Amino acid sequence: GIQVEQSPPDLILQEGANSTLRCNFSDSVNNLQWFHQNPWGQLINLFYIPSGTKQNGRLSATTVATERYSLLYISSSQTTDSGVYFCAVVRGGQNFVFGPGTRLSVLP
Amino acid sequence: DAGITQSPRHKVTETGTPVTLRCHQTENHRYMYWYRQDPGHGLRLIHYSYGVKDTDKGEVSDGYSVSRSKTEDFLLTLESATSSQTSVYFCAVSGTDETYEQYFGPGTRLTVT
Repeated sequence: GIQVEQSPPDLILQEGANSTLRCNFSDSVNNLQWFHQNPWGQLINLFYIPSGTKQNGRLSATTVATERYSLLYISSSQTTDSGVYFCAVVRGGQNFVFGPGTRLSVLP
Repeated sequence: DAGITQSPRHKVTETGTPVTLRCHQTENHRYMYWYRQDPGHGLRLIHYSYGVKDTDKGEVSDGYSVSRSKTEDFLLTLESATSSQTSVYFCAVSGTDETYEQYFGPGTRLTVT
């Protein structure tokens, strides 16, 4: 099956810093999503981005499907950005395969 | 939040007892999913449904069964709970006319003692 890798596994930032999270996948995909799991366990949709670039406030994402990777950019990070960021992909059907996540800690 | 509720939100049960978790959605999504989340394993698919009475197995289906008799409800049953099934269980939905974006419910924390 398709493999999904995320890097870095852990990231510690000072408030106000910028960061880039990466998701690599082993085969072509139909869909790709980024999620944020907050410290209370809630999974929040960030982007539905099978290809191209999207922006939502301080967050943006780019997926280069032909090169099998996606990037999530967080600018001017805030403590509320802390949590785990997951990339999930779909290849055929509608079964999502999740990456292992990047754990982000933003320090005040 | 795509109108997804899960019940119960927390449950403690004893080994060997049956347990049923319920997922309810209000926005007519075609696909429904059950995942479990464990430290070191991330999110893993248990079962999914692609329509009423249409279900299939995921990556970690052993020990679990599901049923979907109505579009809005997807039930996950542990026939005889074991300690290895202690986990956080998430329901998700996807599939509207416009997009197949996936949305998650709030989760159920299950402890099997």
